[in-house]
Amino acid sequence: QSALTQPASVSGSPGQAITISCTGTSSDVGSYNLVSWYQQHPGKAPKLIIYEDTKRPSGVSYRFSGSKSGNTASLTISGLQADDEADYYCCSFEARATWVFGGGTKVTVL
Amino acid sequence: QVHLVESGGGAVRPGRSLRLSCAASEFLFGSYGMHWVRQAPGKGLEWVAVIWRDGSQENYADSVKGRFIISRDNSKNTLYLQMNSLRAEDTAVYYCVRDEREAFFAHWGQGTLVTVSS
Repeated sequence: QSALTQPASVSGSPGQAITISCTGTSSDVGSYNLVSWYQQHPGKAPKLIIYEDTKRPSGVSYRFSGSKSGNTASLTISGLQADDEADYYCCSFEARATWVFGGGTKVTVL
Repeated sequence: QVHLVESGGGAVRPGRSLRLSCAASEFLFGSYGMHWVRQAPGKGLEWVAVIWRDGSQENYADSVKGRFIISRDNSKNTLYLQMNSLRAEDTAVYYCVRDEREAFFAHWGQGTLVTVSS
């Protein structure tokens, strides 16, 4: 159950697009279409923003999109806004019927 | 509107036990698997445990296996986490989370803080 690998921080200017990577293994990210992404503002519970690799829940901005290639999933935030400044976590189902999160990425809007 | 409310957190000495509860409402509790996810202060999210909707199966993170027990009472719409042999590294906010098709976590409680310190 090693954590998925995410960059510690990513930054961008308002209006720009940024991408956060999430690297796992063939036992988790690479084996299932079950990567999800969560946004967490300070002091708040996480909020689901992408599920099953690429799907966006109702009510989540179209500016958030997910993709995956092999053992690496990615979250792209387009048209960066001030309120996007938060921590972002990826998560994947694992072969042993457990779940694993990434270490988290702090997004800063410059 | 799914509602999950954790309780039972607090300060405890290393080696002692604590039981967390999660009261669920506004959905058919017995139709969903449930998880506990924790977050140490200033750290990332860590999946802790899952229990199947009928309680027939459980699974744990290696970090808590053999010390924590997840359980549920579907007649009371309540999820539990019995935490034994607590360690300083168990200090965290513990979230109660509803399972969605074993795929993702759409509904989270507000969390309850557990502090393990001498």
